[in-house]
Amino acid sequence: DAGVIQSPRHEVTEMGQEVTLRCKPISGHNSLFWYRQTMMRGLELLIYFNNNVPIDDSGMPEDRFSAKMPNASFSTLKIQPSEPRDSAVYFCASSLGVFSSYEQYFGPGTRLTVT
Amino acid sequence: QQQVKQSPQSLIVQKGGISIINCAYENTAFDYFPWYQQFPGKGPALLIAIRPDVSEKKEGRFTISFNKSAKQFSLHIMDSQPGDSATYFCAANGNYQLIWGAGTKLIIKP
Repeated sequence: DAGVIQSPRHEVTEMGQEVTLRCKPISGHNSLFWYRQTMMRGLELLIYFNNNVPIDDSGMPEDRFSAKMPNASFSTLKIQPSEPRDSAVYFCASSLGVFSSYEQYFGPGTRLTVT
Repeated sequence: QQQVKQSPQSLIVQKGGISIINCAYENTAFDYFPWYQQFPGKGPALLIAIRPDVSEKKEGRFTISFNKSAKQFSLHIMDSQPGDSATYFCAANGNYQLIWGAGTKLIIKP
């Protein structure tokens, strides 16, 4: 198995631009998580999907952030408009079960820099 | 109540020594406690996990010690090696999402 795939690996954009991050979870996994990692705030859960349905988006910072999962093999995280404070590493993770007692498999992350 | 407090923030250990990272929690409903290991440029990966019905779990050089009454758990790395240098996160199962500690950057000096 190829593991969780994320693209792009690096993204540099200017403030105000739209950014779209992409994730392909492991085949057969029914839960998908988007995380943001910064030195200041550590690992933050942004949103969690189960069977393609958003279950909890309370971690999404503000309306500029949106996430979709149109099918079991693809998810996007969009930031519009982007701001310098959005600079971080964004991880996608997937797991087999609905509860977090199942192992989460993380992708390699997307390093986002907003100038 | 939902927090997991992890210490120390950073740790330097000599090769061959024992590395110890501690975590504490408040919510007694937590029922699963994993440790994740993250190398630079990579996502976190599950290292070892424990449930509160046991006091210790060992996998190779890695051991979790769990103290239910104190609401604390710790990761011990025996015979620490330079390849163990990474950031370690403890976490607790908060039903459908993990509650993460802040992470410990471990450096093993050769």
